[in-house]
Amino acid sequence: QKEVEQNSGPLSVPEGAIASLNCTYSDRVSQSFFWYRQYSGKSPELIMSIYSNGDKEDGRFTAQLNKASQYVSLLIRDSQPSDSATYLCAVKADRGTYKYIFGTGTRLKVLA
Amino acid sequence: NAGVMQNPRHLVRRRGQEARLRCSPMKGHSHVYWYRQLPEEGLKFMVYLQKENIIDESGMPKERFSAEFPKEGPSILRIQQVVRGDSAAYFCASSLGFRDRVLQPQHFGDGTRLSIL
Repeated sequence: QKEVEQNSGPLSVPEGAIASLNCTYSDRVSQSFFWYRQYSGKSPELIMSIYSNGDKEDGRFTAQLNKASQYVSLLIRDSQPSDSATYLCAVKADRGTYKYIFGTGTRLKVLA
Repeated sequence: NAGVMQNPRHLVRRRGQEARLRCSPMKGHSHVYWYRQLPEEGLKFMVYLQKENIIDESGMPKERFSAEFPKEGPSILRIQQVVRGDSAAYFCASSLGFRDRVLQPQHFGDGTRLSIL
């Protein structure tokens, strides 16, 4: 089983809709979770970090964490064509190591 | 610009040559990570370093690849005797570690695109 799993997509949503991106992880002791956006040919850019169960909102982005079910999701409200990118989920297991495990990413297409 | 600085942005080498990729972390960051990414693929962890120490090199090939983060100067990822399969984008990221008991995220540089002829 992969440590961090994401559906590769592409996930296509119409402009203005809510895009929902999901990520599951295998290590129960994971404590730190991050979402990155990567445009084609560019470097990953941090969108959000989340550490506690529940929702965390930042502008049009909402991260949701459920440690009992071992999943973290990212919602993008009022999706814009400029949101079209690959979204990477990263998980950090706090066991005295600072290694981050990245999922392979979900490709999002927002259709104008 | 106080971000993670990588150079060169593009590097072309012939098979058998050496490639040296440099990374200067964000100011105040002491944790450096190197990743490799092939087109349309995810980020593959290679190595994690702190100043003068390699902490985790579990993702780095045992031969031809080495990394360092000296007390002074940038972190270096070195690939000896390059082969065509080494062609990829190599990203460096840096992190502050813990602050106020919360693990801080990584921030990425723009990457080095390595092409092997």
